[in-house]
Amino acid sequence: GESVGLHLPTLSVQEGDNSIINCAYSNSASDYFIWYKQESGKGPQFIIDIRSNMDKRQGQRVTVLLNKTVKHLSLQIAATQPGDSAVYFCAETSSQGAQKLVFGQGTRLTINP
Amino acid sequence: DTGVSQNPRHKITKRGQNVTFRCDPISEHNRLYWYRQTLGQGPEFLTYFQNEAQLEKSRLLSDRFSAERPKGSFSTLEIQRTEQGDSAMYLCASSYPGQIPSNYGYTFGSGTRLTVV
Repeated sequence: GESVGLHLPTLSVQEGDNSIINCAYSNSASDYFIWYKQESGKGPQFIIDIRSNMDKRQGQRVTVLLNKTVKHLSLQIAATQPGDSAVYFCAETSSQGAQKLVFGQGTRLTINP
Repeated sequence: DTGVSQNPRHKITKRGQNVTFRCDPISEHNRLYWYRQTLGQGPEFLTYFQNEAQLEKSRLLSDRFSAERPKGSFSTLEIQRTEQGDSAMYLCASSYPGQIPSNYGYTFGSGTRLTVV
């Protein structure tokens, strides 16, 4: 079936730099997208979300961009910190019905001191 | 209420044995979801409940898997005759019905890691 995928499995950045994590989705029926952070031994933790009627949304140090034309999603983390080290997943769903999430493979973000 | 609670955190079992996991959702949430996550992959949807009704099951949920939510509160996921391929993290999440998976909605537990030897 259709699923969400990620372009890069790993990403290393210097502490203080900005990080960009990319994601491609394929289900045109999805109208809601979420980025999750997952640390070792823990469940996914919500970071930021965006509806399909938006193309950008900002949070604290994070920004999500949505390009529906090419079905692409990105997460930008500003001034990365050691605590940002984790695996990041994008997920898609429909805001109606079961709201089951379809996750991508994940990108491991490593922060170098 | 401190969030979604899952027990046990870890389970090691021999192939062919049955195992049961428990999920206690956030008390006000009447939707409960089960996902499975293998190493290096994103979680995959297994099934979900609204109150005590199991409304959808994934094709991943073979006949060896059964989930229940008898009183619309906690849920159990049982795997019969475990196989090595069942080794994974089993995640539970809960939400309000119709509540989009936002910071105040859909919440995941820490999961139960199953190892079948």
